[in-house]
Amino acid sequence: DTEVTQTPKHLVMGMTNKKSLKCEQHMGHRAMYWYKQKAKKPPELMFVYSYEKLSINESVPSRFSPECPNSSLLNLHLHALQPEDSALYLCASSQDPSGGSGETQYFGPGTRLLVL
Amino acid sequence: GENVEQHPSTLSVQEGDSAVIKCTYSDSASNYFPWYKQELGKGPQLIIDIRSNVGEKKDQRIAVTLNKTAKHFSLHITETQPEDSAVYFCAAPTGGFKTIFGAGTRLFVKA
Repeated sequence: DTEVTQTPKHLVMGMTNKKSLKCEQHMGHRAMYWYKQKAKKPPELMFVYSYEKLSINESVPSRFSPECPNSSLLNLHLHALQPEDSALYLCASSQDPSGGSGETQYFGPGTRLLVL
Repeated sequence: GENVEQHPSTLSVQEGDSAVIKCTYSDSASNYFPWYKQELGKGPQLIIDIRSNVGEKKDQRIAVTLNKTAKHFSLHITETQPEDSAVYFCAAPTGGFKTIFGAGTRLFVKA
């Protein structure tokens, strides 16, 4: 199984809502990532978890809160978002954190988020 | 930090022709160069990658070449088909877990 799954596929939320994005992989990967992708742009790294610990936070606003409950799951909690946060949110995983960014990343299909 | 430049931004070819996309990187310590294909409504999917100890790698109609001296690597697609139409991203690592993506190339294959 080389699949990363993400739910929901689409999400519309108001600026006062609280919602969560979920990501799951069963490949035994120990590094998991959140990316944000705006239309016609490349993915931008937000967070990296290595062995369920937060390794990188790319100066992401606190209205985005990541969580890694176990080695297979990654959540992104959203609160008080702004319209400019509307984007495709991608989750990815890679096998061995000791390989750093030299490891192949496997991406999920993404959650398309619209903030009204 | 790493900087990755990708050209062209848009590429239109006739079915059956070849397509070439080029990337340059700045960090001479980079040692892994993946290429991703992103179709509409999907996440990026790895199509081929190359490590710095080889100069070329081929997988059926897709090949990647690497010139470490010049710090550039290229994606070559031969005998293009309409299903090759997508956005292609090159990428390079920049220490730790960070991967920097090129700006992307939108490939159109005309039937």
